[in-house]
Amino acid sequence: QSALTQPPSASGSPGQSVTISCTGTSSDVGGYAYVSWYQQHPDKAPKLIIYDVNKRPSGVPDRFSGSKSGNTASLTVSGLQAEDEAHYYCMSFAGTNNLGVLGTGTKVTVL
Amino acid sequence: QVQLVESGGGVVQPGGSLRLSCAASGFTVYTHGMHWVRQAPGKGLEWVAVLWADGNRQHNTDSVKGRFTISRDNAKNTLYLQMNNLRPEDTAVYYCTRDITYYADDYWGQGIMVNVSS
Repeated sequence: QSALTQPPSASGSPGQSVTISCTGTSSDVGGYAYVSWYQQHPDKAPKLIIYDVNKRPSGVPDRFSGSKSGNTASLTVSGLQAEDEAHYYCMSFAGTNNLGVLGTGTKVTVL
Repeated sequence: QVQLVESGGGVVQPGGSLRLSCAASGFTVYTHGMHWVRQAPGKGLEWVAVLWADGNRQHNTDSVKGRFTISRDNAKNTLYLQMNNLRPEDTAVYYCTRDITYYADDYWGQGIMVNVSS
């Protein structure tokens, strides 16, 4: 299975919004409502911030939101803060073979 | 509180074997899908394997098929990853994770390093 495609980098100034795309196929992102997003700071384990396309786990600020259109899922971070600077990864259920597939990762920089 | 603690990593020669363990606390491993996800040095995350709650369904990514086996011990509340015929490209930090739906991992261990080198 091929990795989901994410832009290598994205940036914004504090208070601005940034949107990260995650492009797959009809066999993964486009075929199921099981897309999750993770935030990873350097030398730390990833943290779940969005699951099932647009649900937020308890404790995750509502500045983080998810959506999906066709084979592309998106993560939007509104009101950027310094602590949002991190790598972000999407993951999808790839149902044909019951596998999981991760995105290539996006480094978000807060200017 | 929920905690996942990996152990069993280290340095191994190509062709060798290792068994990773993930001791869970605060929940029972047989009530959730459990995954292994790895990250090569300086690289992105890669999903490796899943064992679903029923204990019968397990799936691996293509690059480890026939070499890695995911399993669990309900009595010890521990998840395992048996890794055989290791290759240099298996060098990575391996994370144990808990799933809450399908591929939504809400808890991650601290990670354990596996280095395949001669």
